[in-house]
Amino acid sequence: KAGVTQTPRYLIKTRGQQVTLSCSPISGHRSVSWYQQTPGQGLQFLFEYFSETQRNKGNFPGRFSGRQFSNSRSEMNVSTLELGDSALYLCASSLAAGDTDTQYFGPGTRLTVL
Amino acid sequence: TQLLEQSPQFLSIQEGENLTVYCNSSSVFSSLQWYRQEPGEGPVLLVTVVTGGEVKKLKRLTFQFGDARKDSSLHITAAQPGDTGLYLCAVPLNNNDMRFGAGTRLTVKP
Repeated sequence: KAGVTQTPRYLIKTRGQQVTLSCSPISGHRSVSWYQQTPGQGLQFLFEYFSETQRNKGNFPGRFSGRQFSNSRSEMNVSTLELGDSALYLCASSLAAGDTDTQYFGPGTRLTVL
Repeated sequence: TQLLEQSPQFLSIQEGENLTVYCNSSSVFSSLQWYRQEPGEGPVLLVTVVTGGEVKKLKRLTFQFGDARKDSSLHITAAQPGDTGLYLCAVPLNNNDMRFGAGTRLTVKP
C-alpha cells in the first residue's frame, strides 16, 4: 500500500508570492491534516479536512488555507509569503476524522522563502 | 510555555548505552503518543498510551504513561545507530488538533 505522498518535495519562493502544496493520502483514508514544522516553533497544527470540509483550524493567519477534493486529496495554499513561512510542511492522513491512532505522515514539502 | 516539555533537548550516546527521554506537562491528557522522525521524513507513530501507569514495549523501546496521565517517558535499551532521530511526544486536543513537544534529538554513535 502506497504511503502519503506530498508534492513538490522542495520549493523556493520569494516574499509576496503564493504557493500551493499537494498531499495524496493513503488509499482509503478520508482525513487529511496539515502541519508546519520549524526549528523555533516545532510541529504546529494548521488544519484538518474530512469529506471535503475543514473540521478544525490551528492558530494561523488567513493567508494559510486549504481544501480537499472528492478523492480525499488535499491542497494547502499560502498567499503573500513571508520569510517566516519557510518551513517543512507535513500532511498526515487517517481513516476518519480525529483518528490519530491511524495517522500517517508524508515526507513533507520543504518551503524556502527568500 | 509549551504544553509539552521534552527533555533533554539533545542527547548523544554510544551504541549499546541505555537512555531515557521525558515528556512532561501540568495538564492531564486522555492519551499521549510518541513519534520518531528521521531527517527528510515525516514523523512515524511509535505508540499510543492511554491508561495512567500503562507500560508498552516495542522491542528495545519501553514507553510509560504517568499515573496521573500528565507525563510520559521513553526508555531505549542498548541503543543502536538506527535509533538516531528526533523523538516527539504529542497529545490530541479537541477536534484532532495534535499538540507536539519540541522533541529530543538523539544521536547514537557506532
